[in-house]
Amino acid sequence: DVKVTQSSRYLVKRTGEKVFLECVQDMDHENMFWYRQDPGLGLRLIYFSYDVKMKEKGDIPEGYSVSREKKERFSLILESASTNQTSMYLCASSPQGTYYNEQFFGPGTRLTVL
Amino acid sequence: AQSVTQPDIHITVSEGASLELRCNYSYGATPYLFWYVQSPGQGLQLLLKYFSGDTLVQGIKGFEAEFKRSQSSFNLRKPSVHWSDAAEYFCAVVPNAGNMLTFGGGTRLMVKP
Repeated sequence: DVKVTQSSRYLVKRTGEKVFLECVQDMDHENMFWYRQDPGLGLRLIYFSYDVKMKEKGDIPEGYSVSREKKERFSLILESASTNQTSMYLCASSPQGTYYNEQFFGPGTRLTVL
Repeated sequence: AQSVTQPDIHITVSEGASLELRCNYSYGATPYLFWYVQSPGQGLQLLLKYFSGDTLVQGIKGFEAEFKRSQSSFNLRKPSVHWSDAAEYFCAVVPNAGNMLTFGGGTRLMVKP
């Protein structure tokens, strides 16, 4: 059974803290994605990676960075968390080739920044 | 601006009733089209997709969707809804090859007993 796991289901942080969200997939997928999900806005792509150490900006990269040191792991970093980054964060992966062929999603991390 | 629109934010149907969730897009060419479902506490799961060919697409869990080029629509349907179908549904579009998924705002489905 394919699996994408995220390190936390719920996270509460203070404004200005550095925040790490971790994602691990066990499907040997080349592509990995970080999305932000907000009510009424659907999912918006923050960053994606098509290979180890490779990254590309998505639609809303401001305030975020990413790291992919190993194929199975893709981290999202909030350098200095702000209240407007309170949201649900979803990680996804897909096999090499087209980015849009079925993406497999993790359960999400609900982040609250106080 | 190019976009994906799901006009209904919330829909409530009775168990056993039929369901249609609407999705419209504003891209010029025929895009690649998807429907995903997010059950409570779960990640998104692909229900079905359309790339080309037959405009009526069958998916998992008894869902189907019909692509209508003239209406720029890709509506999701199910003839008889079950309580376990209560979830949020997302339409997603890839404008053309090499682009990323663009998601609609989602429709939350509630099922009455």
